[in-house]
Amino acid sequence: KNEVEQSPQNLTAQEGEFITINCSYSVGISALHWLQQHPGGGIVSLFMLSSGKKKHGRLIATINIQEKHSSLHITASHPRDSAVYICAVGGANFGNEKLTFGTGTRLTIIP
Amino acid sequence: EAGVAQSPRYKIIEKRQSVAFWCNPISGHATLYWYQQILGQGPKLLIQFQNNGVVDDSQLPKDRFSAERLKGVDSTLKIQPAKLEDSAVYLCASSLVGRGHYEQYFGPGTRLTVT
Repeated sequence: KNEVEQSPQNLTAQEGEFITINCSYSVGISALHWLQQHPGGGIVSLFMLSSGKKKHGRLIATINIQEKHSSLHITASHPRDSAVYICAVGGANFGNEKLTFGTGTRLTIIP
Repeated sequence: EAGVAQSPRYKIIEKRQSVAFWCNPISGHATLYWYQQILGQGPKLLIQFQNNGVVDDSQLPKDRFSAERLKGVDSTLKIQPAKLEDSAVYLCASSLVGRGHYEQYFGPGTRLTVT
Protein backbone atom coordinates (compact mmCIF):
# COMPACT_ATOMS: atom_id res chain seq x y z
CA LYS A 1 0.00 0.00 0.00
CA ASN A 2 1.37 3.39 -0.98
CA GLU A 3 1.93 5.89 1.79
CA VAL A 4 -0.02 8.51 -0.19
CA GLU A 5 -3.16 7.50 -2.05
CA GLN A 6 -5.12 9.77 -4.37
CA SER A 7 -8.57 9.37 -5.83
CA PRO A 8 -9.80 9.38 -8.44
CA GLN A 9 -6.88 8.54 -10.73
CA ASN A 10 -8.64 10.15 -13.67
CA LEU A 11 -11.47 12.67 -13.70
CA THR A 12 -13.28 14.18 -16.66
CA ALA A 13 -15.83 16.93 -16.10
CA GLN A 14 -17.69 19.63 -17.97
CA GLU A 15 -16.61 23.24 -17.74
CA GLY A 16 -18.18 24.91 -14.73
CA GLU A 17 -18.47 21.79 -12.58
CA PHE A 18 -17.26 21.64 -8.99
CA ILE A 19 -14.24 19.35 -8.74
CA THR A 20 -13.01 17.37 -5.72
CA ILE A 21 -9.76 15.41 -5.58
CA ASN A 22 -8.96 13.38 -2.49
CA CYS A 23 -5.72 12.42 -0.81
CA SER A 24 -5.22 9.96 2.05
CA TYR A 25 -1.94 9.23 3.75
CA SER A 26 -0.78 6.64 6.22
CA VAL A 27 2.31 8.24 7.76
CA GLY A 28 2.75 11.00 10.28
CA ILE A 29 3.24 14.31 8.57
CA SER A 30 3.78 17.91 9.42
CA ALA A 31 2.73 19.41 6.09
CA LEU A 32 0.78 18.41 3.01
CA HIS A 33 1.33 19.88 -0.44
CA TRP A 34 -0.92 20.08 -3.46
CA LEU A 35 0.93 20.43 -6.76
CA GLN A 36 -0.19 20.96 -10.33
CA GLN A 37 1.63 19.41 -13.27
CA HIS A 38 0.87 20.42 -16.83
CA PRO A 39 1.83 18.40 -19.94
CA GLY A 40 5.56 18.87 -20.49
CA GLY A 41 6.45 18.09 -16.89
CA GLY A 42 6.77 21.36 -14.97
CA ILE A 43 5.26 21.35 -11.48
CA VAL A 44 3.72 24.29 -9.70
CA SER A 45 3.07 24.33 -5.98
CA LEU A 46 -0.58 25.22 -5.26
CA PHE A 47 -0.85 24.86 -1.49
CA MET A 48 1.13 23.85 1.54
CA LEU A 49 -0.99 23.24 4.62
CA SER A 50 -0.77 21.56 7.99
CA SER A 51 -4.25 22.25 9.33
CA GLY A 52 -7.63 23.65 8.38
CA LYS A 53 -8.28 25.18 5.02
CA LYS A 54 -6.64 27.45 2.46
CA LYS A 55 -8.16 29.25 -0.50
CA HIS A 56 -6.57 30.78 -3.56
CA GLY A 57 -8.88 32.02 -6.27
CA ARG A 58 -11.06 29.13 -7.37
CA LEU A 59 -8.94 26.57 -5.54
CA ILE A 60 -9.62 25.39 -1.99
CA ALA A 61 -7.57 22.88 -0.03
CA THR A 62 -8.61 21.29 3.24
CA ILE A 63 -6.90 18.88 5.57
CA ASN A 64 -8.10 16.71 8.47
CA ILE A 65 -5.07 15.63 10.45
CA GLN A 66 -6.99 13.17 12.63
CA GLU A 67 -8.43 11.38 9.61
CA LYS A 68 -5.20 11.75 7.59
CA HIS A 69 -7.13 13.10 4.65
CA SER A 70 -7.01 16.14 2.43
CA SER A 71 -9.17 17.40 -0.40
CA LEU A 72 -8.52 19.81 -3.25
CA HIS A 73 -11.58 21.55 -4.63
CA ILE A 74 -11.90 23.57 -7.82
CA THR A 75 -14.95 25.77 -8.22
CA ALA A 76 -16.28 26.84 -11.63
CA SER A 77 -13.79 24.58 -13.39
CA HIS A 78 -12.27 25.72 -16.68
CA PRO A 79 -10.44 23.86 -19.46
CA ARG A 80 -7.19 25.53 -18.39
CA ASP A 81 -7.51 23.63 -15.09
CA SER A 82 -6.81 20.43 -17.05
CA ALA A 83 -3.63 19.01 -15.54
CA VAL A 84 -2.35 16.35 -13.19
CA TYR A 85 -2.84 17.24 -9.53
CA ILE A 86 -0.39 15.66 -7.13
CA CYS A 87 -0.63 15.34 -3.37
CA ALA A 88 2.64 15.16 -1.43
CA VAL A 89 3.30 14.87 2.28
CA GLY A 90 6.26 16.20 4.21
CA GLY A 91 8.03 14.08 6.84
CA ALA A 92 7.10 14.30 10.49
CA ASN A 93 10.60 15.33 11.54
CA PHE A 94 10.47 19.03 12.10
CA GLY A 95 12.44 20.74 9.40
CA ASN A 96 12.60 17.64 7.23
CA GLU A 97 11.53 18.76 3.81
CA LYS A 98 11.54 15.31 2.19
CA LEU A 99 8.28 14.77 0.32
CA THR A 100 6.42 11.55 -0.44
CA PHE A 101 4.25 11.90 -3.52
CA GLY A 102 1.00 10.36 -4.63
CA THR A 103 0.67 9.17 -8.20
CA GLY A 104 -1.54 12.08 -9.20
CA THR A 105 -5.06 12.68 -10.47
CA ARG A 106 -5.41 13.49 -14.15
CA LEU A 107 -8.14 16.11 -14.54
CA THR A 108 -9.68 16.93 -17.91
CA ILE A 109 -12.21 19.74 -18.20
CA ILE A 110 -14.27 19.66 -21.35
CA PRO A 111 -15.53 22.99 -22.76
CA GLU B 1 11.98 36.48 -9.21
CA ALA B 2 13.48 33.95 -11.60
CA GLY B 3 12.34 30.36 -11.12
CA VAL B 4 14.29 27.13 -11.11
CA ALA B 5 16.05 26.67 -14.43
CA GLN B 6 16.78 23.31 -16.01
CA SER B 7 18.42 22.24 -19.22
CA PRO B 8 18.06 20.60 -21.56
CA ARG B 9 14.26 20.31 -21.71
CA TYR B 10 14.36 17.16 -23.81
CA LYS B 11 17.03 14.56 -24.46
CA ILE B 12 16.99 11.36 -26.49
CA ILE B 13 19.91 8.95 -26.15
CA GLU B 14 20.64 5.32 -26.82
CA LYS B 15 21.11 2.86 -24.00
CA ARG B 16 24.62 2.68 -22.61
CA GLN B 17 25.25 6.32 -23.54
CA SER B 18 25.88 9.03 -20.96
CA VAL B 19 23.78 12.10 -20.25
CA ALA B 20 23.96 15.10 -17.94
CA PHE B 21 21.29 17.46 -16.71
CA TRP B 22 21.79 20.92 -15.25
CA CYS B 23 19.80 22.81 -12.66
CA ASN B 24 20.07 26.37 -11.34
CA PRO B 25 17.90 26.90 -8.25
CA ILE B 26 16.21 30.07 -7.12
CA SER B 27 18.74 32.53 -5.76
CA GLY B 28 19.18 32.11 -2.03
CA HIS B 29 17.66 28.63 -1.86
CA ALA B 30 20.12 26.43 0.00
CA THR B 31 18.26 23.16 -0.50
CA LEU B 32 18.17 21.49 -3.91
CA TYR B 33 16.43 18.29 -4.91
CA TRP B 34 16.59 16.00 -7.92
CA TYR B 35 13.52 13.86 -8.59
CA GLN B 36 12.83 11.13 -11.12
CA GLN B 37 9.27 10.88 -12.41
CA ILE B 38 8.44 7.82 -14.47
CA LEU B 39 5.34 8.11 -16.64
CA GLY B 40 2.18 7.58 -14.60
CA GLN B 41 3.95 7.80 -11.24
CA GLY B 42 4.63 10.51 -8.73
CA PRO B 43 8.12 12.00 -8.46
CA LYS B 44 10.72 9.99 -6.54
CA LEU B 45 13.52 11.76 -4.70
CA LEU B 46 16.95 10.84 -6.04
CA ILE B 47 19.13 13.20 -4.05
CA GLN B 48 18.82 16.20 -1.74
CA PHE B 49 21.55 18.77 -1.21
CA GLN B 50 21.81 21.39 1.46
CA ASN B 51 24.32 23.93 0.18
CA ASN B 52 27.01 21.66 -1.31
CA GLY B 53 26.46 18.75 1.08
CA VAL B 54 24.33 15.67 0.45
CA VAL B 55 21.42 15.27 2.88
CA ASP B 56 19.75 12.21 1.36
CA ASP B 57 20.82 10.04 -1.56
CA SER B 58 19.31 6.78 -0.36
CA GLN B 59 17.33 6.23 -3.56
CA LEU B 60 20.06 7.25 -5.99
CA PRO B 61 21.31 4.28 -8.07
CA LYS B 62 24.91 5.05 -7.36
CA ASP B 63 26.29 2.52 -9.79
CA ARG B 64 25.12 4.69 -12.67
CA PHE B 65 23.83 7.98 -11.30
CA SER B 66 25.91 10.78 -9.83
CA ALA B 67 25.15 14.33 -8.81
CA GLU B 68 27.16 17.25 -7.59
CA ARG B 69 26.62 20.77 -6.35
CA LEU B 70 30.18 21.98 -6.01
CA LYS B 71 29.66 25.65 -5.13
CA GLY B 72 26.34 25.22 -3.38
CA VAL B 73 24.42 26.86 -6.22
CA ASP B 74 23.79 25.03 -9.49
CA SER B 75 23.87 21.26 -9.78
CA THR B 76 24.39 18.55 -12.36
CA LEU B 77 22.91 15.06 -12.45
CA LYS B 78 24.65 12.47 -14.60
CA ILE B 79 23.66 9.03 -15.79
CA GLN B 80 26.39 6.74 -17.07
CA PRO B 81 25.56 4.36 -18.68
CA ALA B 82 21.86 4.89 -19.32
CA LYS B 83 19.34 2.06 -19.32
CA LEU B 84 15.92 1.87 -20.94
CA GLU B 85 14.25 2.14 -17.52
CA ASP B 86 15.88 5.53 -16.97
CA SER B 87 13.38 7.06 -19.39
CA ALA B 88 11.58 9.61 -17.24
CA VAL B 89 11.21 13.29 -16.45
CA TYR B 90 13.97 14.55 -14.20
CA LEU B 91 12.79 17.37 -12.00
CA CYS B 92 14.90 19.77 -10.02
CA ALA B 93 13.43 21.70 -7.11
CA SER B 94 14.74 24.13 -4.52
CA SER B 95 13.61 25.52 -1.20
CA LEU B 96 14.77 27.75 1.62
CA VAL B 97 16.52 26.07 4.48
CA GLY B 98 15.67 26.39 8.12
CA ARG B 99 13.16 25.31 10.70
CA GLY B 100 9.62 24.80 9.54
CA HIS B 101 8.44 23.71 6.19
CA TYR B 102 9.05 25.63 3.06
CA GLU B 103 7.51 25.23 -0.34
CA GLN B 104 9.55 23.48 -2.94
CA TYR B 105 9.79 25.32 -6.24
CA PHE B 106 10.08 23.05 -9.22
CA GLY B 107 11.80 23.55 -12.53
CA PRO B 108 10.23 22.62 -15.88
CA GLY B 109 11.95 19.23 -15.91
CA THR B 110 14.07 17.38 -18.44
CA ARG B 111 12.30 14.62 -20.36
CA LEU B 112 14.78 11.81 -21.05
CA THR B 113 14.06 9.09 -23.57
CA VAL B 114 16.44 6.14 -23.70
CA THR B 115 16.12 4.00 -26.83
